[in-house]
Amino acid sequence: QSALTQPASVSGSPGQSITISCTGTSSDVGSYNLVSWYQQHPGKAPKLMIYEVSKRPSGVSNRFSGSKSGNTASLTISGLQAEDEADYYCCSYAGSSTFDAFFGGGTKLTVL
Amino acid sequence: QVQLVQSGAEVKKPGASVKVSCKASGYTFTSYGISWVRQAPGQGLEWMGWISAYNGNTNYAQKLQGRVTMTTDTSTSTAYMELRSLRSDDTAVYYCAREYNWFDPWGQGTLVTVSS
Repeated sequence: QSALTQPASVSGSPGQSITISCTGTSSDVGSYNLVSWYQQHPGKAPKLMIYEVSKRPSGVSNRFSGSKSGNTASLTISGLQAEDEADYYCCSYAGSSTFDAFFGGGTKLTVL
Repeated sequence: QVQLVQSGAEVKKPGASVKVSCKASGYTFTSYGISWVRQAPGQGLEWMGWISAYNGNTNYAQKLQGRVTMTTDTSTSTAYMELRSLRSDDTAVYYCAREYNWFDPWGQGTLVTVSS
């Protein structure tokens, strides 16, 4: 099982919207509505931003949204703000006899 | 509030073992699992495995099978991760996270450095 595929970097200007893709296979992203997204600032622990593809935890800005189509999940951040600059990781599950979690390689978001 | 607090940084020699603790508070410990995730310097996140705090069932990532053991102590709401036969490429920040098909919250991380 390989890691999920994310772009290494994306960028956008304040106020713009960006989308980060997370491509898996029919065995992971395509099989389960269990995609989650994490934001990580340098030197900090990851923070849950989206779970079960499109649900937002309490306290997370509604500027963050998630979706899925086939084997690809996406995280969209609208109204970009300087504090959104961070690394973002997607995660999904795969397996039949065991249920393993897999992360994407991470995407560095730069706010220009 | 829900919180996971991990033990402090460790420096180990190749071949040694390390045991990291993760103390939970603010929720019913046995109602969730705990996963361990590590992050090598400048690299991405790697899931290591999961333990049920309810019954102790475990599921380890295939690449770590045989070297990792995860346990819990329900009397103190603490999870433990032991990694044996340490190598230089085990140098990483190790995180625990409460799991319910997603990871939230995360501990603050424990830096484990493997160096001769």
